[in-house]
Amino acid sequence: NAGVMQNPRHLVRRRGQEARLRCSPMKGHSHVYWYRQLPEEGLKFMVYLQKENIIDESGMPKERFSAEFPKEGPSILRIQQVVRGDSAAYFCASSPGGLGNNSPLHFGNGTRLTVT
Amino acid sequence: DAKTTQPPSMDCAEGRAANLPCNHSTISGNEYVYWYRQIHSQGPQYIIHGLKNNETNEMASLIITEDRKSSTLILPHATLRDTAVYYCIVRPPPNRDDKIIFGKGTRLHILP
Repeated sequence: NAGVMQNPRHLVRRRGQEARLRCSPMKGHSHVYWYRQLPEEGLKFMVYLQKENIIDESGMPKERFSAEFPKEGPSILRIQQVVRGDSAAYFCASSPGGLGNNSPLHFGNGTRLTVT
Repeated sequence: DAKTTQPPSMDCAEGRAANLPCNHSTISGNEYVYWYRQIHSQGPQYIIHGLKNNETNEMASLIITEDRKSSTLILPHATLRDTAVYYCIVRPPPNRDDKIIFGKGTRLHILP
């Protein structure tokens, strides 16, 4: 009964490199959410996806950040040309979704990105 | 923006009940109250949720006032492992925009 799996747990990138963060939702879950948590701050919503669709990306920075959730495989959060300010913990959550479904979101243990 | 207000921090003696308050005076009739907690460096952990009635599970109890403008999360016998940041969240109904917005939460310290 695996929960939400995120990898890698820790990721170090130099400024200007690309970071790819992966999230495998719980079995049977078709909705994925990404959150960012800066050091000593709260969780900030970034994006909400269903399979092959972005539902809400109102929390995504306009440049360098993108997310996808393909028909097969994990959800990917991609950060291009990383800067030191991107250093944070990135959490993924999943839910079964669907109309009338009020199941809670379940979170992974995050990927800690450090930009040097 | 988060639709909830919580005290920034609270202390509770180990073995006692921890009562965490939350104000959500602008909650709509079909919005749920959810509680999560985040233990240092881990992902948020779901605790409990409710709409109108009080709820209880193996982790906690949730007491929602009759006017639904506030609620209290009760950890009946707090242990040191309950030290965490506790988030009270108002969640839209599941047939609308489903994102969860976190506020600043309450940092609960369990004292030995």
